Parts: sequence; structure tokens; C-alpha cells
Amino acid sequence: GESVGLHLPTLSVQEGDNSIINCAYSNSASDYFIWYKQESGKGPQFIIDIRSNMDKRQGQRVTVLLNKTVKHLSLQIAATQPGDSAVYFCAENMAAGNKLTFGGGTRVLVKP
Amino acid sequence: GAGVSQSPSNKVTEKGKDVELRCDPISGHTALYWYRQSLGQGLEFLIYFQGNSAPDKSGLPSDRFSAERTGGSVSTLTIQRTQQEDSAVYLCASSITWGVTNYGYTFGSGTRLTVV
Repeated sequence: GESVGLHLPTLSVQEGDNSIINCAYSNSASDYFIWYKQESGKGPQFIIDIRSNMDKRQGQRVTVLLNKTVKHLSLQIAATQPGDSAVYFCAENMAAGNKLTFGGGTRVLVKP
Repeated sequence: GAGVSQSPSNKVTEKGKDVELRCDPISGHTALYWYRQSLGQGLEFLIYFQGNSAPDKSGLPSDRFSAERTGGSVSTLTIQRTQQEDSAVYLCASSITWGVTNYGYTFGSGTRLTVV
């Protein structure tokens, strides 16, 4: 979904379940992608990155999938925990570009 | 320092007044970025510094906004004659070099600006 004004798309997930957050990126020339996590009152924090020569990358409890054909990025969080409650942003960088362009964000709420 | 430091953390100002926001990047980081985040929105790029020069200031919304960086370190973002639509969280980030390398940027906690 797209964020509209104050209404970020929200994903409610039961503690222990897996979460999938989706992002459509805009530029087919982008070659580097990052997922950030932003907790209330803090700046965005790096979670995981992926380059365009890969379609999957795994970290600790997180996996990023990249589908360049449809310009789609997803973040999977395994066994979601209360501490995962935050807003998640994808960001893209165009090859040889100087700045990251951010998506609108998805709020994840973990229910106990 | 150990992280990106921004000050003040909160600023309330009257419409029409000027404000200065400060960013102290990680020591040794040559690139510095300013983004703006309105309530419930994503991050909007404002300006980027490589050293003391600003090769890309394409995101500054109007000529009321300006930024400078001195000594390749501290940066200030100045908003003149503030308007209510300037209310947002202003985020600063730094990276070790220009361009986007592994791990992207390190962000500060931001300055929440409220124009009343």
C-alpha cells in the first residue's frame, strides 16, 4: 500500500509469527537497496541490504528478497518479537548515485 | 563521536522566526545528508554534502532553506521565516564516503521542529 498523510499502512502480526513487508521501488536503474527500521523518537536504523546482482539475502531473523523484473523488494522477519514493532522503510540507490531514496514506510505492530 | 548527534532534539518556534538545526556527524565521515520526515510520512531528501561542498541541494523546498558545513564536520540547516508546513522531524545522516556504500547511512535521532 501507499502512505497517505498520517495513515501509514500497518501490518499487525501475532508474536511468534512471521512478518512480510513489501516495497515497490521506482527506478529500474537502482542497484542497491536497504531496509531500515525506525522506532518511535529515533532515527532510522540499518537492518539489511542487498545489491541488484542478488535476489535474496539473509541476516539474523531477517531475509530480503529482490525481484527486479517487477521492481519489488520484501523484508521477511521470522518469529516476530515485540521489539520488532516499528516503522520499516525500504530505500534505493541508483547506480553511481549519491543519495538514498526512501519509500513511504510500513508500520508493524506486534500483538502479544 | 560514536554516533550522529543532532541538536536541539525538539524546537518549538513561532511562525516567521528563523531556526538553526545542528548536526555533528560521525568523526571521519566525509558525506553528510539532511532529510525531512513529516508526521507519518517517509523521508524526503533535502541536501547532501561531500566535505564542505554541497553537490546536490535539489531537495531544498524553497529559498528559505539553506545549509552549510564547515571544517568537513558540523553542519547547520537554517530555515528562515518559518511556516507551519515546515513542522517536521529533520534527520541528519553521515557516511564514510560520498555515494552509497555498504550499510548506507548512519542517522541521528532528529530534531522535531514545531512551528506555531
